[in-house]
Amino acid sequence: QQQVRQSPQSLTVWEGETAILNCSYEDSTFNYFPWYQQFPGEGPALLISISSVSDKKEDGRFTIFFNKREKKLSLHITDSQPGDSATYFCAASEGDTGGADRLTFGKGTQLIIQP
Amino acid sequence: EAAVTQSPRSKVAVTGGKVTLSCHQTNNHDYMYWYRQDTGHGLRLIHYSYVADSTEKGDIPDGYKASRPSQENFSLILELASLSQTAVYFCASSDGGLSAETLYFGSGTRLTVL
Repeated sequence: QQQVRQSPQSLTVWEGETAILNCSYEDSTFNYFPWYQQFPGEGPALLISISSVSDKKEDGRFTIFFNKREKKLSLHITDSQPGDSATYFCAASEGDTGGADRLTFGKGTQLIIQP
Repeated sequence: EAAVTQSPRSKVAVTGGKVTLSCHQTNNHDYMYWYRQDTGHGLRLIHYSYVADSTEKGDIPDGYKASRPSQENFSLILELASLSQTAVYFCASSDGGLSAETLYFGSGTRLTVL
C-alpha cells in the first residue's frame, strides 16, 4: 500500500517558469513533510520541510503549500533554473509525536528544466 | 559538515554470493538507516538502528541483514544475493529518534547481481 503518492512522475518546464510538484498521503497521523532533492549520482538531501500546523512554507524560490483537510501538498519552484533539474521526493512521518522512527517516501518526480 | 560515507561505490556480485555494504558516519548521530532505491519505487527502508549492537527491521527486510558494531558504522549484508536485489543502496544517519529530524544520506552503492 503506497502511503505517499507523487505526481507527475516526470515534469519538464522552461527556464524561468514555475514548476509544480504534487504529493498526497493517506495516513492522517502524518504531521511532518520534508521534500528531498536528489541529483544524479548523489544521495538525496533535504530541500525544505513543513509541519501540519502550517499551510505554507517558503525558502527562497521553493514554497510548500499544504492542505490538511485534503491530505495534499505541493512544492512550487518559481523562476526555475537548469540547476534545479533533479528528482524530488516527498516524504511523510509522524514527526514530533514520537510514534515512528522513519520517513515514508513517495516514488519521486523527475524535474527537467529546459534552458 | 555532516558526512556519511559508503563503500564500495559500486559492486557486481554473483547470484547466491554474499555481499556486504558498508557505511560510516562522522556526524555523531544515533540513528542510521539503509534504504533501497529502484526506478519507479522511490526509497524504501530496509533496516535501521538507533544504538550500537541493535538493529530494527524496516519495511522490506527480507533477504537482508544489518549490523551496527559501533555508533559510526552500519553494514548491510546480503547472505545469498539474488537478481531482484540489484538496486542502488543508500545509507543515512539522523540525530534523533523523532522523525522530524533531517536524514543525511551517503552517495549510494550501486549493486548489480548477475
